[in-house]
Amino acid sequence: NAGVTQTPKFQVLKTGQSMTLQCAQDMNHEYMSWYRQDPGMGLRLIHYSVGAGITDQGEVPNGYNVSRSTTEDFPLRLLSAAPSQTSVYFCASNIMTANTGELFFGEGSRLTVL
Amino acid sequence: GESVGLHLPTLSVQEGDNSIINCAYSNSASDYFIWYKQESGKGPQFIIDIRSNMDKRQGQRVTVLLNKTVKHLSLQIAATQPGDSAVYFCAESLYSTLTFGKGTMLLVSP
Repeated sequence: NAGVTQTPKFQVLKTGQSMTLQCAQDMNHEYMSWYRQDPGMGLRLIHYSVGAGITDQGEVPNGYNVSRSTTEDFPLRLLSAAPSQTSVYFCASNIMTANTGELFFGEGSRLTVL
Repeated sequence: GESVGLHLPTLSVQEGDNSIINCAYSNSASDYFIWYKQESGKGPQFIIDIRSNMDKRQGQRVTVLLNKTVKHLSLQIAATQPGDSAVYFCAESLYSTLTFGKGTMLLVSP
């Protein structure tokens, strides 16, 4: 099993550009989520989904959109990138919900917005 | 990567020592707690978890202690090894979300 796969691993954008960070998991997990990690801030939840067709906002959702059309995929969209969105982004999944055991993380996507 | 460690509290120990990493959580209603380890350039990895109806749980070389009275969680690592060097995060859960602490960097010298 590949686990949680994120692409791209690195990306540089200019302010105002749009892009999508891809996340796929092959473990048939219902729960998927996106976090951003900034120095000294820990991981902060952006959006999460408890199943296909269901998404909800986390702690820092502004500037990001998500959709969950399939169980496997949970893309994160930046519609108009800003320098404040420079960060490392992690996708994570769990068999059911965040509090039913191990959350499996991808390797991260490092985004720089100039 | 390296930027994760900036501004973090740091615990430096010698190989073979026992390490204790502490965490204060924020929500007294949280019912599930997890410790994660993050090595440089990688995603966080699950270490051990504990539910609020327990006050201690042991794994291989690791023990988590939960004190709900003061909202405090600790991770004890026995016989710390150089491979344990990483950033350690506690996380608390209520309903469908996990909230992470800011992390502690553990440095293990040979």
